[in-house]
Amino acid sequence: QQQVKQSPQSLIVQKGGISIINCAYENTAFDYFPWYQQFPGKGPALLIAIRPDVSEKKEGRFTISFNKSAKQFSLHIMDSQPGDSATYFCAASSSTDSWGKFQFGAGTQVVVTP
Amino acid sequence: EAQVTQNPRYLITVTGKKLTVTCSQNMNHEYMSWYRQDPGLGLRQIYYSMNVEVTDKGDVPEGYKVSRKEKRNFPLILESPSPNQTSLYFCASRVSGISYNEQFFGPGTRLTVL
Repeated sequence: QQQVKQSPQSLIVQKGGISIINCAYENTAFDYFPWYQQFPGKGPALLIAIRPDVSEKKEGRFTISFNKSAKQFSLHIMDSQPGDSATYFCAASSSTDSWGKFQFGAGTQVVVTP
Repeated sequence: EAQVTQNPRYLITVTGKKLTVTCSQNMNHEYMSWYRQDPGLGLRQIYYSMNVEVTDKGDVPEGYKVSRKEKRNFPLILESPSPNQTSLYFCASRVSGISYNEQFFGPGTRLTVL
């Protein structure tokens, strides 16, 4: 049973468009929500992360929106570029878990067309 | 260069033939873990280690063993591989068990068990 549900499974967006990936969770103890970016043949790499004390975090063209009451968070990629084509994973963890365990979403494959 | 390395990168084997996938990090990280990545399931944690000689099971430990005799190395052992262990495996490390610390992933090992 996946503790973090991610959608859509795949996404095709034109260059310059906005990519939006959504994640939902059930465990209210989760208090750290990172997004990872994975290129083919590479390991995932941390892209951006948020804690629930803020509702939005922006780094360049990447923004996380967080809705604590709905237990949802999303990644927005503004002005999408072909170099953004990758698989994106959301994740969640709890600071009360001394082992720092992460639960990952199933991943979203994003393709940005020229 | 700070990195997590895995060997081999690709491996095809047969059912029942013991194998070891090595993982090494040069960042003096205390925390290391193994994940498997399967389509539609995201990344699932197999085992993790908080420090030398301290390991514990993740979400999908069946059929796997690990050891942590040195801080930098965390090998994954499949004593009797089966076809359902065909997957993409990632080793990861971070400074400590606290989840807020950035987690660094290796490049992955693609394992096929025939």
